[in-house]
Amino acid sequence: AQSVTQLGSHVSVSEGALVLLRCNYSSSVPPYLFWYVQYPNQGLQLLLKYTSAATLVKGINGFEAEFKKSETSFHLTKPSAHMSDAAEYFCAVSESLQKLVFGTGTRLLVSP
Amino acid sequence: KAGVTQTPRYLIKTRGQQVTLSCSPISGHRSVSWYQQTPGQGLQFLFEYFSETQRNKGNFPGRFSGRQFSNSRSEMNVSTLELGDSALYLCASSLFGQGADNEQFFGPGTRLTVL
Repeated sequence: AQSVTQLGSHVSVSEGALVLLRCNYSSSVPPYLFWYVQYPNQGLQLLLKYTSAATLVKGINGFEAEFKKSETSFHLTKPSAHMSDAAEYFCAVSESLQKLVFGTGTRLLVSP
Repeated sequence: KAGVTQTPRYLIKTRGQQVTLSCSPISGHRSVSWYQQTPGQGLQFLFEYFSETQRNKGNFPGRFSGRQFSNSRSEMNVSTLELGDSALYLCASSLFGQGADNEQFFGPGTRLTVL
């Protein structure tokens, strides 16, 4: 069965620093992988998705993620954090027609 | 294009009562999925409806049920509410449903508090 593990329930960075949010997946077939962001009192918004077209995926707001099959990882990065990036981030995996399975989320805190 | 809307946004109920939540998907989307979000359990999939048929179901008791209407609007019902049902209930719509690379668009959620 597919699953996702997000390491670190909270990540703190300073404004302008590199953001790295970790995601490892488990899937019996080539997966589809997603990163979603949730701002306070809002629903989830898609940041980016991996669909096997390219291993480095660029998303909105300057985020990108790299699919590494050998490491079963799909870590999310952003070169320079902004205060507005403070939110909760969810990694998710899907196999073919199976339901979307979410990780437990990582809350990103950005300090000035 | 209007996004996914959920009503009501906030709800307070007492144990034993029942509740109905509503979700209106993006125009043209035929799939509606429901999720429960709690601090302890994270995001858990409840069920998915596609063209008025339940297509996928998560591991929730039968007290949780749903339906979808011909206009793709969906309702979720929880009967005999328990304290543990307090959560943010999120609805998501998509063109083709769960799976593959189909993007799901989420509504703002309904925050249910059970006293």
